[in-house]
Order: sequence, then structure tokens, then C-alpha cells
Amino acid sequence: GQQVMQIPQYQHVQEGEDFTTYCNSSTTLSNIQWYKQRPGGHPVFLIQLVKSGEVKKQKRLTFQFGEAKKNSSLHITATQTTDVGTYFCAGRTRHNNNDMRFGAGTRLTVKP
Amino acid sequence: NAGVTQTPKFRILKIGQSMTLQCTQDMNHNYMYWYRQDPGMGLKLIYYSVGAGITDKGEVPNGYNVSRSTTEDFPLRLELAAPSQTSVYFCASAARLVASSTDTQYFGPGTRLTVL
Repeated sequence: GQQVMQIPQYQHVQEGEDFTTYCNSSTTLSNIQWYKQRPGGHPVFLIQLVKSGEVKKQKRLTFQFGEAKKNSSLHITATQTTDVGTYFCAGRTRHNNNDMRFGAGTRLTVKP
Repeated sequence: NAGVTQTPKFRILKIGQSMTLQCTQDMNHNYMYWYRQDPGMGLKLIYYSVGAGITDKGEVPNGYNVSRSTTEDFPLRLELAAPSQTSVYFCASAARLVASSTDTQYFGPGTRLTVL
């Protein structure tokens, strides 16, 4: 079945450093979404990517969708302590548009 | 506008007991979902519903049942609770067009369930 792998599992950075998390799917995706979950909280939607090669920016966050629509990345420039949390990617395939598969997440900690 | 609400926040069950996790949304969303999140892991889809009266299985449906009698409510039923069902359960809702895969899922605060 479809699997979504995410690396790294953990990332600890100094405030001001950059951070990147990568997401890879075993099958071609129709779209990919990114979520952020603060410790003890619930996932919060960040963005959705649909087109091959798509790049979207939200302030210091840059999201990319691979040309083959099987991988994606989230890059944060100049991390801040407010960026702390776990970042999840979640993808859907054309075969079942209702079944979204989540990666295991990358847990980001930021040292002030 | 409360969004997605879930009750209870916490629950401890004994093996073999049953319970219902409640989920309500006030955004008139057609799609609703139930996920479980095990420690250090991502979310796994248990069941989903595309509208009142329609439900379907997700990735990990065994041991659970759902119903969707109204647009607002999507309860999750656990029969014969097992330790493997110890997890955090999240309900989510989304407004989705039938012909489109575009949606933003809004999550509830979660129910932390322990089965001993």
C-alpha cells in the first residue's frame, strides 16, 4: 500500500539557523499537504501543493512539490522559537482521493 | 463558531470495555474524519464520511465503528477495547467539492485514550 516517509525524525537547531524536512511517497500523489502540531496540540493545516514542481512560500516557510509528485520538502529560513513543533506531510493518491496518508513527522526544537 | 469539538478529553478504559468518542463540528462541513496518533508517529485514518449517512473505512478500521446521522456529528465507537487502541484520537472536518481534492482539514483538540 501507499507509504509516506519523512526525514529526519528529529531536528534540533540554534535559533536563526535554517531547517528542512523531506517527505517521500512510494506512489505518485495527487496532492500533498503540510501540517504543524505544537507539543500537546492538534495538527494545524499549513498548505496544500497540487502541481508538479510547485513552490509556495509563507513568510519564512518554503514548500516544494517534486516534478514526479512523489516527494516534497518544507524549508524554514532563520528559525525562531515559535517554530517549535512537529511538521507532518500528508499525501493523497489518485486511486483513493479520500485516504490521506501521513508521514511520521519531523520534530523541530529550537535553542534560543 | 467553536469549530471541531471532541469529548471526552481523556479516558481510561479496561480491556473489553466499550465507549463512544464524540465529535461535533459547526462549520457545515460535508467531510469528517477520525484519525489515531500513536506516540512519535503520524496520524492514521480510521474512518471517514463524505456526508450524512455515508461512511467508509480508512487505513486502520478494525476494532472501530462509526455513524453519521447528521452533518454535525461523527461519533467513533470502540467495542471490546484492547491495549493496542491506546492512542490519541483526532476528529477532523473539511469542506470538499465532490470533483476536487482540495481541502483544508480542521482538527479537534483530541481525546487521549488509555486501555489497561
